Amino acid sequence: AQKITQTQPGMFVQEKEAVTLDCTYDTSDPSYGLFWYKQPSSGEMIFLIYQGSYDQQNATEGRYSLNFQKARKSANLVISASQLGDSAMYFCAMREGAGTYKYIFGTGTRLKVLA
Amino acid sequence: GAGVSQTPSNKVTEKGKYVELRCDPISGHTALYWYRQSLGQGPEFLIYFQGTGAADDSGLPNDRFFAVRPEGSVSTLKIQRTERGDSAVYLCASSQRPSNQNNEQFFGPGTRLTVL
Repeated sequence: AQKITQTQPGMFVQEKEAVTLDCTYDTSDPSYGLFWYKQPSSGEMIFLIYQGSYDQQNATEGRYSLNFQKARKSANLVISASQLGDSAMYFCAMREGAGTYKYIFGTGTRLKVLA
Repeated sequence: GAGVSQTPSNKVTEKGKYVELRCDPISGHTALYWYRQSLGQGPEFLIYFQGTGAADDSGLPNDRFFAVRPEGSVSTLKIQRTERGDSAVYLCASSQRPSNQNNEQFFGPGTRLTVL
């Protein structure tokens, strides 16, 4: 079974509008971490935001926020006030369990911001 | 400061050849990771080093793949008898320490390997 599912292969958003990128995950471990990375066409993975499974509040980092719904096992990324530079691939990843450090990535969502 | 660097940025080789891919992590980062990203996919974990030792190599697809980090800094991913299916972008990442909390990994630009 897929551990990380990103169901939106591609998304469009108008500049200055908000957009939500979906991510659902599957784990039976109570301890896990969820990450979002941005991958521009240059190829480098850029860390955006982190949510721990025990965190009580949704994570926020500038224009990025994570809509964490633990019971539904979803960790959607919300980008507010989209900019042209936000156009990129976005990957959701999970670090599963205590004592493990590898990430499991989803297949990504390609976001295109329109002027 | 300097980020994670990887060399070469591109490598084209013929089927059956041996290749080495190099990763220079961020100075002071003790943890180092290798991932492989095939076209249209997310990165897939290959191996994780804590210091000089491979703490988790469960992602290496077969014994043609091997990685070393002899001095706890630079790492080399080695692929023997390359196959066309090995073509992918190989990403290296490092983190300051292994942690059960936010273990943000900093990624390099990757090496694009093409096996003809």
